[in-house]
Amino acid sequence: AQSVAQPEDQVNVAEGNPLTVKCTYSVSGNPYLFWYVQYPNRGLQFLLKYITGDNLVKGSYGFEAEFNKSQTSFHLKKPSALVSDSALYFCAVRDLTDSWGKLQFGAGTQVVVTP
Amino acid sequence: NAGVTQTPKFRVLKTGQSMTLLCAQDMNHEYMYWYRQDPGMGLRLIHYSVGEGTTAKGEVPDGYNVSRLKKQNFLLGLESAAPSQTSVYFCASSYLSGSYEQYFGPGTRLTVT
Repeated sequence: AQSVAQPEDQVNVAEGNPLTVKCTYSVSGNPYLFWYVQYPNRGLQFLLKYITGDNLVKGSYGFEAEFNKSQTSFHLKKPSALVSDSALYFCAVRDLTDSWGKLQFGAGTQVVVTP
Repeated sequence: NAGVTQTPKFRVLKTGQSMTLLCAQDMNHEYMYWYRQDPGMGLRLIHYSVGEGTTAKGEVPDGYNVSRLKKQNFLLGLESAAPSQTSVYFCASSYLSGSYEQYFGPGTRLTVT
């Protein structure tokens, strides 16, 4: 069974400071990993994914994430946060052995960026 | 492209009433999913479909039924609504292979009183 943990319910950061949102995962096989962002009263928007290859993946809006197999982590990062980055962020994992593309989502981390 | 659309956007039901949520996608995706989102619990998979006429149970299927008669549409039904089904419902779709990410609709906010 696959699972995702986002250990922080909320992350507070000042505008211009680095932003990190943590994610760890557990799968029986190799993982596909995803980050999504949700703005208030909206659906989830895809940010980035790790499928294979370079452990550092770059995505939309200046976000990046680093895949660490030994620590089973996929933390989301942004070098300089903006107030507009305030949103709910979800990490998700898909086990490669799952043929039906099902994702397991974390509980979400609320990011609050203050001016 | 409209992407993934959901109707209705909001609905209030009384306990015991029934309703159907409609999801439509115009990206020719093979896979479609229904999730519910509750505070502090992330998204939980209700049912999913891997093609026209094929559906399967997800993590929390009880009290829901689905149908996929056409490739572009995925319907979620509540036969007898309960207050525990008060939630925000999201539909998503994805390709059979390739990019793997799921594309989400805007959601339906359902309240059962």
